[in-house]
This record gives sequence, structure tokens and C-alpha cells, in this order.
Amino acid sequence: AQKVTQAQTEISVVEKEDVTLDCVYETRDTTYYLFWYKQPPSGELVFLIRRNSFDEQNEISGRYSWNFQKSTSSFNFTITASQVVDSAVYFCALSEAYSGNTPLVFGKGTRLSVIA
Amino acid sequence: NAGVMQNPRHLVRRRGQEARLRCSPMKGHSHVYWYRQLPEEGLKFMVYLQKENIIDESGMPKERFSAEFPKEGPSILRIQQVVRGDSAAYFCASSLRSANTGELFFGEGSRLTVL
Repeated sequence: AQKVTQAQTEISVVEKEDVTLDCVYETRDTTYYLFWYKQPPSGELVFLIRRNSFDEQNEISGRYSWNFQKSTSSFNFTITASQVVDSAVYFCALSEAYSGNTPLVFGKGTRLSVIA
Repeated sequence: NAGVMQNPRHLVRRRGQEARLRCSPMKGHSHVYWYRQLPEEGLKFMVYLQKENIIDESGMPKERFSAEFPKEGPSILRIQQVVRGDSAAYFCASSLRSANTGELFFGEGSRLTVL
């Protein structure tokens, strides 16, 4: 069965520090998708990235970067030069391509607080 | 706004009352999913519907909860005889294609408070 573990419950950093949010997943499928979502204090879910299991290339988008490593079943998310607006709960999620209909399984989230 | 629309955004009910949450998917999307987020928890899958059909309800409590997605109109998540433990944020998502590709677009959620 699919499972997503975000071991860090809460992280606090000072503005301009870099921070990495960890995500470890479990799946029996060879084809799957990994996601990160941001949930700011206002409560909505903001899509950040989707990565399929065949693409292990790391991705950078502005201050955000993602490190996908199949060997360790990890899909970590780094924010460079953090800002107060980055304060939010971040969720990692997994979708198996062929095993049933459940579209997304979420981790419990990591609450990031960026202090000015 | 062509996104997933949920209403109401906030709903307060007393124990024993009924709660109805509505979700209008993105235009052209016929697949709808409901997730529940308990306080300080991640999102838990509840139910997956296609127009007029329930595809997967493995995450939905067997009693008091029901969901529908009629041919016309929004998807409805109905909670009968609410209890305090039902207090949560309920998120709806929609997709163009079937599940497992993961292309889900989420609404802003409906926050239910049971007094």
C-alpha cells in the first residue's frame, strides 16, 4: 500500500535561511507521481509540483528546488533564502498509477514558520 | 474564476443537525474527490465520484456520510446527525481524466464546526 511520511512536524527558521522539508514514500508500483502542496494560513491548497517516477531530474523554480531520489524513496523540498510568506504547512503526496482508484495519499504535513 | 468552487466556506452546526457541503468542479471535469482534514492532520481521502456514480468510497465512514454527483449540478457531501468529531475542513478536488494520473485541482475547502 502507498504511504507518505513527513517526519518533520514543525520547523522554524529565521528569514533568509535555507530549509529542507523531507518526504519519504512507499509504493509497490513502478509508475507513480509525487507532489508537493502548500497550505498557507488562509487554508487553501496550493499546488507546487508534480513529478513522475521516471523523471529523477532535480527541479528548480525560483527559490524552490526538489530532490527526487528513487534509491532512497525520497522527494525532498528545499526553500532557499526563506521569506516570511513561506510560512505554511507543506504536504507531500503520492499517487500510484495502476493500483486502484485512490488518487492521492498525503503525508501529515510539515509546518514551516519563517521568523523575520 | 474557473477553479473548483466549494460552498459554504464556513459552516456551523449543532450536534444532531445535518451538514451539506457543495462542490462545483472545474469546467469540463467529470471526476470529483472529497478529502477531510482534521485539525493538525493531513488530508484523508473519503470518496471519488464520476457523474452519477460512486467509484470509490473506501475512505468514507459507513454511517451518516453520503456523497453524490448528479448529472446536473454540484457534488454534495452530506453529513447527517453531526457530532463534534466531524469538525474538520472538507476539501473537494476535480480532475479531467480518471484517477491515478494525479492531476487534481483543489477547492478552498469548507470548514465545518460542530458545537
